Amino acid sequence: EAQVTQNPRYLITVTGKKLTVTCSQNMNHEYMSWYRQDPGLGLRQIYYSMNVEVTDKGDVPEGYKVSRKEKRNFPLILESPSPNQTSLYFCASSFVSFAGINEQFFGPGTRLTVL
Amino acid sequence: EDKVVQSPLSLVVHEGDTVTLNCSYEVTNFRSLLWYKQEKKAPTFLFMLTSSGIEKKSGRLSSILDKKELFSILNITATQTGDSAVYLCAVEAGGSEKLVFGKGTKLTVNP
Repeated sequence: EAQVTQNPRYLITVTGKKLTVTCSQNMNHEYMSWYRQDPGLGLRQIYYSMNVEVTDKGDVPEGYKVSRKEKRNFPLILESPSPNQTSLYFCASSFVSFAGINEQFFGPGTRLTVL
Repeated sequence: EDKVVQSPLSLVVHEGDTVTLNCSYEVTNFRSLLWYKQEKKAPTFLFMLTSSGIEKKSGRLSSILDKKELFSILNITATQTGDSAVYLCAVEAGGSEKLVFGKGTKLTVNP
């Protein structure tokens, strides 16, 4: 089954404790992206990647790191989480055609709470 | 700064009504506009629009893009309670593959 998986789905942690949220897709998509969703602010792009070893900042990259060592995986790293990073996080992937980013498939989301 | 604005932010209608959701944008090097539906989980794709004036349809949903006036509309006819969701509009800025989302329109369809 074609899907994007994220782990963990829920996480409660404390300020400053490094964490990684994994994202994996089995559709051979070039494009992968991380978003955070907050009430009243909508979906905001954190980082995206066009292919292996190619990553770019989205609108809200501060406090986050990513890597794309393999095409299928795109982990999100919070080196020193802070309470303002409490949010719902989505990973997504898609093909890219001449017309642009096509239908994005979203993962189920990771609800992160930083105390 | 790239910007996507959706209106209204919230809408309550009765089953059978027709609704029109709006999305206006200002982005550098527009490439495409995408619509998503989000219920109590991850967004799901509805439409991708790249050319002005060409309507995309899927059942009771349709969408059209106006690249001159920089907006798109999403129409839903004969609404059903299952259409209740947040509808998201996103625009891709060409050359960077960055996606900018609007804040969404929350649609509630009452029986």
